[in-house]
Amino acid sequence: EAGVAQSPRYKIIEKRQSVAFWCNPISGHATLYWYQQILGQGPKLLIQFQNNGVVDDSQLPKDRFSAERLKGVDSTLKIQPAKLEDSAVYLCASSPSLEYYNEQFFGPGTRLTVL
Amino acid sequence: AQSVTQPDIHITVSEGASLELRCNYSYGATPYLFWYVQSPGQGLQLLLKYFSGDTLVQGIKGFEAEFKRSQSSFNLRKPSVHWSDAAEYFCAVGARFGRGADGLTFGKGTHLIIQP
Repeated sequence: EAGVAQSPRYKIIEKRQSVAFWCNPISGHATLYWYQQILGQGPKLLIQFQNNGVVDDSQLPKDRFSAERLKGVDSTLKIQPAKLEDSAVYLCASSPSLEYYNEQFFGPGTRLTVL
Repeated sequence: AQSVTQPDIHITVSEGASLELRCNYSYGATPYLFWYVQSPGQGLQLLLKYFSGDTLVQGIKGFEAEFKRSQSSFNLRKPSVHWSDAAEYFCAVGARFGRGADGLTFGKGTHLIIQP
């Protein structure tokens, strides 16, 4: 089966610009996650969706980050305006069911560089 | 809040030698524990997980991990490493929150280098 797809794979922007990342989860997966991985650190959860509803966004910097998952399938994460400290790899993951701690399948990530 | 510590930033092992990567967690109840591997240009891949029961869990690629509650540890082991095992390894802990929230808290990772 096809894995989690993310685009673009790389993005370079100036600070204060806006950027959007797209994720298409594995077909049929109900749960979708966005993680931020800063260089030298482990991934940090930003937001979790179940179908098209938000389950957890406690670590999402809501003054500049937003995310949506229309129709419970693919998802978009937006940063507006970007700061230098937003430079990171943004990982999308999906999970097959609503049960706790099913395996999360990760996409290849989008590497963002903010200059 | 839960947290994960991976004390070793880098580990170098000779090919064919045994491997142990350390992981310590902090969580008030019985945790859900995971090991993931991240190869260059690849997404994170689950190696194994512990939820309950037998404290020694087997994973893919010949890896195993042992949960020790008294030491708050979940160390990853492999009896004989291969050059293809060179990668970044992440330990993660999960907690059961309300409304189905089950995002993971990851450690900072251990970079494994394999010497020929």
